[in-house]
Amino acid sequence: KNEVEQSPQNLTAQEGEFITINCSYSVGISALHWLQQHPGGGIVSLFMLSSGKKKHGRLIATINIQEKHSSLHITASHPRDSAVYICAVNSGGSNYKLTFGKGTLLTVNP
Amino acid sequence: NAGVTQTPKFQVLKTGQSMTLQCAQDMNHNSMYWYRQDPGMGLRLIYYSASEGTTDKGEVPNGYNVSRLNKREFSLRLESAAPSQTSVYFCASTFWGEGYTFGSGTRLTVV
Repeated sequence: KNEVEQSPQNLTAQEGEFITINCSYSVGISALHWLQQHPGGGIVSLFMLSSGKKKHGRLIATINIQEKHSSLHITASHPRDSAVYICAVNSGGSNYKLTFGKGTLLTVNP
Repeated sequence: NAGVTQTPKFQVLKTGQSMTLQCAQDMNHNSMYWYRQDPGMGLRLIYYSASEGTTDKGEVPNGYNVSRLNKREFSLRLESAAPSQTSVYFCASTFWGEGYTFGSGTRLTVV
């Protein structure tokens, strides 16, 4: 079974700061996903990665397959970025199941 | 809007009561999933349906049953609710393992 570890568990930042959230996993994967969940809210898919780097607005996601590690970066953070960020992996196979990290709670203060 | 629709959004049950959580997607996704989310535990897979006509157990299937009614709909049934089933339930779908779409969740309390 793939183990997915995220760090930090909690992160508090000031508006405008550069944010990094890390994710590591134990077994080879077919894809890694970054998800966002606002307090009391639903879950939104931000990125799906199998290699390299993706960018969407102020969010950047990178993955290093050899090191089994991914990072989510937020540039020029804003209070509306306050949410739980969840890393999840597909370990392959035809059932496309996800294994989730426990999430990182990000609070961005104005 | 296209997406995953879950009903109900909130539910309170008494211990021993039964209920069915409904999930429907209109994106022609082949795979559908039911997860529960508990504080400190993250999201855990209850049951999944990799394709229409198939269902399989996930990590925490005890106390639940599912039905893949057709390609669009995947329901989760609690036959005899227990307080340990108090949780937030999410339905999700995907097409061949690409980006996942989640429903807005069902907040269930069993008293």
